Amino acid sequence: TQLLEQSPQFLSIQEGENLTVYCNSSSVFSSLQWYRQEPGEGPVLLVTVVTGGEVKKLKRLTFQFGDARKDSSLHITAAQPGDTGLYLCAGDLPGNQFYFGTGTSLTVIP
Amino acid sequence: GAVVSQHPSWVICKSGTSVKIECRSLDFQATTMFWYRQFPKQSLMLMATSNEGSKATYEQGVEKDKFLINHASLTLSTLTVTSAHPEDSSFYICSASWGRKNQPQHFGDGTRLSIL
Repeated sequence: TQLLEQSPQFLSIQEGENLTVYCNSSSVFSSLQWYRQEPGEGPVLLVTVVTGGEVKKLKRLTFQFGDARKDSSLHITAAQPGDTGLYLCAGDLPGNQFYFGTGTSLTVIP
Repeated sequence: GAVVSQHPSWVICKSGTSVKIECRSLDFQATTMFWYRQFPKQSLMLMATSNEGSKATYEQGVEKDKFLINHASLTLSTLTVTSAHPEDSSFYICSASWGRKNQPQHFGDGTRLSIL
């Protein structure tokens, strides 16, 4: 079993639609990051959340860290084809252990 | 922002060849570097963690004699896939952090390894 489960695993939507990706765990994380990865490239850091309940916005992307610091969500408003990619959450556990989520592959159809 | 360079970006070689992949942090000192393996549309699987000047810590199931990791300086780590076979074909990604707790990792652009 994976420490960080993402859902959905695959998502295909039309341009302009909204979507939410979830990252869930039974463990408490010191911090959690979201990355986006395009084919043939390394992941690019989008945001880091540290405080339970924290909400961060990056243009059309809204990130939320759960109150108990066990889960997080990424919401994209009015998705665009440029948002297509693999979205990965990753969390820090006490003791400097770092885990990636299972990943969500997003395709935005023009 | 922090820049991590990975080289080569793509390598094709015959079965039995050993392949070395380099990971460099260009504008910061990376006390810790990580090596991942990734299959298409799947998440990254951590292979090993290396700290400068010490032996790498390998994840369960990763053969340390197959995947040799060297972290000789604060800006360079190498992964050598020894006697590569077709099943070793994959996308290998390194990342680096400056080691303080909760510092995010910065990733290279990956190396596509294809073994014929």
